[in-house]
This record gives sequence, C-alpha cells and structure tokens, in this order.
Amino acid sequence: EAGVTQFPSHSVIEKGQTVTLRCDPISGHDNLYWYRRVMGKEIKFLLHFVKESKQDESGMPNNRFLAERTGGTYSTLKVQPAELEDSGVYFCASSQEGFSQETQYFGPGTRLLVL
Amino acid sequence: AQSVTQLGSHVSVSEGALVLLRCNYSSSVPPYLFWYVQYPNQGLQLLLKYTSAATLVKGINDFEAEFKKSETSFHLTKPSAHMSDAAEYFCAVRGLGGGGNKLTFGTGTQLKVEL
Repeated sequence: EAGVTQFPSHSVIEKGQTVTLRCDPISGHDNLYWYRRVMGKEIKFLLHFVKESKQDESGMPNNRFLAERTGGTYSTLKVQPAELEDSGVYFCASSQEGFSQETQYFGPGTRLLVL
Repeated sequence: AQSVTQLGSHVSVSEGALVLLRCNYSSSVPPYLFWYVQYPNQGLQLLLKYTSAATLVKGINDFEAEFKKSETSFHLTKPSAHMSDAAEYFCAVRGLGGGGNKLTFGTGTQLKVEL
C-alpha cells in the first residue's frame, strides 16, 4: 500500500511568487492534515480536512495560504504571495477515521525556501 | 494551552548504551501521546503511542515509553543504541484542551550515536 506522497520534494522560489504544494493521502483515508516546521522550531498544525470539508483551519497563519481538497482525494496548499518567513518543511498526514487515538501517517514533506 | 517539552535538543550516546529521550506535556486531562522519528531525508514515522491502555508502551525497533501521570511525562527509551537510531525524535500529544485531532509537537531531539 502506498504511503502519503507529497510533491514537490523541494521548492525554491523568490519572495512574491506563488507556490503550490500537493499531497496525496493514503487511499481510503478521509482525514488529511497539513503541518509546517519552520527551521529550528516545532512542527505546527495548519489545518485538517475531513473528505473535502475543512474541519479545523485554526493553524493557518494568514490569508496568503489557501488549502483545497478536490473531491476529498488529494489536497493542495497554495502560498500566494510567498514571504521569507514561509520557508520551512510542509508535512501532510492522513488518517482513516479521525479519532484522537488514531495514528496519523506522514508524508516525506516539501522543503520550501523563499529567497 | 496544550504544550509539549522535549528536554535536550541534541543527545549523544555511544553505540550499545541506553537511549533516554525526555518528553513532558501539560494537560488537565489524560492525553493521547505519540513518539515519531524522522530519519535523514525521510518523513515522520510513528514509533509508538499511548492511548490510555497500558502505561508501558512498546514500539518498533525495541523502543518503549512509559506514561507517568504524576510526572506528566512520556520518556522514550531503548536499552542499547544502534548506529541506525541516529535521527530526530518528536514527542506529540493529541486531544488536549479541546484541541480536536491535531497533534501538538515538541521541538524535537536530535539523537547522535557514536562508536
């Protein structure tokens, strides 16, 4: 069974540009999460989808970030326009049922560098 | 607000020595607790989790952790370190303070294993 996949693995862009990150969850997982780790800091929650609906987006830093989940399958996270402080590693995770004790399976992350 | 503290951002042990990585959390209710590991250039992988069953939890690769409510701790141990254990380890909690399904992570501990 394929795990969570993320694309691209790395992205280097200039301040003011737009970047779109993609996440494909494990097949059959209704719950999809985005997290971010800024260099030297902890991994922080961004938002949670249940199928195509946003269940919790309390961690989204500002309106430059837009997350979508088309048809409840893959998800995209767009940053527009990118700022220097957006640099970091963006992780996607998925789980089947969404219970608190359930394991979230993480992808390898996208390393974003904004110059 | 919920929080996780990992004492020691870097820990160095000799091969064959005991590994002890510390994690403390703040919560007024029993949480669900997780340890994840990130090997170089890979995603986060679940090592083990505590979900209010046995307080001593065994995970993969001979790692284990003990939930101690009185100390609000969930330290990770391994009897004998191996070179392949060199990685970054993250403690995480879930379901604290009405936080829903999102994980709250510590800042991570980089484990170095020396010959």
